[in-house]
Amino acid sequence: QSVLTQPPSVSAAPGQKVTISCSGSSSNIGRRYVSWYQQVPGTVPKLLIYENNKRPSGIPDRFSGSKSGTSATLGITGLQTADEADYYCATWDGSLSAGVFGGGTKLTVL
Amino acid sequence: QVQLVESGGGVVQPGGSLRLSCGASGFNFNTFAMHWVRQAPGTGLEWVAVESSDGTYKHYADSVKARFTISRENSKNTLYLQMDSLRVEDTAIYYCVREGGADCRFDHWGQGTLVTVSS
Repeated sequence: QSVLTQPPSVSAAPGQKVTISCSGSSSNIGRRYVSWYQQVPGTVPKLLIYENNKRPSGIPDRFSGSKSGTSATLGITGLQTADEADYYCATWDGSLSAGVFGGGTKLTVL
Repeated sequence: QVQLVESGGGVVQPGGSLRLSCGASGFNFNTFAMHWVRQAPGTGLEWVAVESSDGTYKHYADSVKARFTISRENSKNTLYLQMDSLRVEDTAIYYCVREGGADCRFDHWGQGTLVTVSS
């Protein structure tokens, strides 16, 4: 069982918007920055969002992040079939002194 | 460009040992904390361990504590993971990952090396 909780799957049609939630606690999300990663099957994870809402260079602004209290959310607009992937949230847990990932959310673009 | 290249994976029996290496290039290795992250077949990402840039701190996931040891040689731009008392559940792809900023901002990943623990 992961320290950070994500829905196992989400789906939406091409062109639509989807959000993926990540729920934690005061020892992790509540006091830390959240990052989001995209992993297309068979490939290496890629950083999508860092420090809750910042995008690395090369990541389109269709991807956005937000944080409120002990939860974070990844938003993807203008869905494309290429967005089909697994998405993970991550942060540091100060009580565990450990990195923590969410269990991952599989996005299906119908 | 930043490159992280893992090596040392393979097949080992339960109770055995392996040492993974990660060669880094394209950046000042001695100024970045480095992590190991693993992914068992068909499952999600699991954080394993971190070592600070100067080696002053190391932290481990509970699942590997007292069995795995992270270390680095900044003079050789290399990160290591010594894995002892291996278990079947340690079977995974192990990724070497650069921490580009606070709180698990992993901005560069290696291609991974597969460790299979099986009798």
